[in-house]
Amino acid sequence: GQQVQQSPASLVLQEGENAELQCNFSTSLNSMQWFYQRPEGSLVSLFYNPSGTKQSGRLTSTTVIKERRSSLHISSSQITDSGTYLCAMERGSNYQLIWGSGTKLIIKP
Amino acid sequence: GPKVLQIPSHQIIDMGQMVTLNCDPVSNHLYFYWYKQILGQQMEFLVNFYNGKVMEKSKLFKDQFSVERPDGSYFTLKIQPTALEDSAVYFCASSLGQRTNERLFFGHGTKLSVL
Repeated sequence: GQQVQQSPASLVLQEGENAELQCNFSTSLNSMQWFYQRPEGSLVSLFYNPSGTKQSGRLTSTTVIKERRSSLHISSSQITDSGTYLCAMERGSNYQLIWGSGTKLIIKP
Repeated sequence: GPKVLQIPSHQIIDMGQMVTLNCDPVSNHLYFYWYKQILGQQMEFLVNFYNGKVMEKSKLFKDQFSVERPDGSYFTLKIQPTALEDSAVYFCASSLGQRTNERLFFGHGTKLSVL
C-alpha cells in the first residue's frame, strides 16, 4: 500500500480561513519535507522538518515521528495560497523521497 | 535563496528522438537528483548522482536514460530513444550533502511532451 498518505485530497476554503493539511506515513523515516506546487506545475520547497515544529510566516509544519505524521497549517489563507501541497518522506541514505499524492487547496475570495 | 534552474521549461519532440534536459544546480551543491511526475500522478524518484557517478536509481530509470555532469556544468538527463510514456514533468534537485539536516532545492521542472 501507499507509504505516504495525504489528507484531504482537496480542500476549498474562503479567504482568511485557516487550512490544516495532514500527511501520514506507514514506515519509519529519516525526514519529512513539504512542497508547494504552483498551478502551472513548478515546485517550491516549504519546509524540511525531520521533527518538531517549524514556522515560516503564515505556515507552520509539525512532524511527530513516533506518531508517523506531519501537518502543515496555513493561517489566514490567501487566494495566492491556492495550489497543490505535497509532502515527501525521506527514507534510507540516498535521499529517495517518497511522495504523497498531494492536497489540492483552493482559496476563494 | 538558492535556485535550481531547469532549461527548457517545455520540450516537444517526436517519439524515438533523443532529448537532453538541462539542470543548473545550486553552485556549491554536490548531490543531484531527477524526479518524474506524470500529469495527475505522484512524483517519483528517478536517480541521484554524486561525484560523477549514479548513486542510486529507481526502476523508472530505464536503460534509455542516462545522467551526467561534464566538467561541473549542467547536470543533464538524456533519454535516447524517447517513448510516449516518457511524457511527464521532470524535476531536478540538488543538495549540499546527504545528512538528514540537508534539504533539497528543486527546479521548476521541464515538461517533456513526446508525440
